[in-house]
Amino acid sequence: AQTVTQSQPEMSVQEAETVTLSCTYDTSESDYYLFWYKQPPSRQMILVIRQEAYKQQNATENRFSVNFQKAAKSFSLKISDSQLGDAAMYFCAYRSFFNGGSQGNLIFGKGTKLSVKP
Amino acid sequence: EPEVTQTPSHQVTQMGQEVILRCVPISNHLYFYWYRQILGQKVEFLVSFYNNEISEKSEIFDDQFSVERPDGSNFTLKIRSTKLEDSAMYFCASLGGRRGDTQYFGPGTRLTVL
Repeated sequence: AQTVTQSQPEMSVQEAETVTLSCTYDTSESDYYLFWYKQPPSRQMILVIRQEAYKQQNATENRFSVNFQKAAKSFSLKISDSQLGDAAMYFCAYRSFFNGGSQGNLIFGKGTKLSVKP
Repeated sequence: EPEVTQTPSHQVTQMGQEVILRCVPISNHLYFYWYRQILGQKVEFLVSFYNNEISEKSEIFDDQFSVERPDGSNFTLKIRSTKLEDSAMYFCASLGGRRGDTQYFGPGTRLTVL
C-alpha cells in the first residue's frame, strides 16, 4: 500500500521570503500523480499544484513550484515571495493511475501547518 | 468555473440518529468520492463511486455508511446511526474521468454528533 509522509508538522516563514515543505512517499508503482492541496481555516481543500510521475519536468504554478525526485520518492513544495494569504495547512497527496485495485482515490499525508509572519 | 457544492455546511445531530450529507459534483464528471477529516488529523478516503455503484471503499466505510446517486446530479452519503466518533469534516470530490488527473473538492460538511 502507498503511504505519504510529511515530516514537518509546522513551518514558519517571513512574508516575502521562500519556504519549502517536504513530502516523501512510498510506492511500488511507476506511474502516478502527486498533489499539494492547501487548506485554509475555512477547511476548504484547494488544489495548489500537481505533478505526473512520468514527467521529468517539475511543475510550476506562479509562486509555487515542486522539486520532484522520483528515485528518492520525494515531492517538496516551494513557495516563493510568501504572502499572508499563504498561511494554511498544506497536504501532500498521492494518486495511482486507474487500475484494478485503484479507482483514483487520494492518499494524504498528515499535513504541514504554515504560518506567515508579517 | 464549475464547482462541487455540498449541503449542509454544518450538521448537528444526536448520537444514534441518521444523517444524509449531500453533494452536487461537477456536471460532466464521472467519478465521485467521499473523504473524512477528523479535526486536527489528515484527510482519509471513505468511498469511490462510478457508474452507479461503489468502486472502492476503505475499512472506515462499514455497514453504517451508504452512498447513493439518486438522480443525475446529487451524490449522497448516509450514516445510519451516528456515533460520537463520526464527528468530522466530510468532503465530496469529483473527477472528470480516467484521463482526468485532478479531483475537485467541495467546501465540506462539518458533522457534529452530540
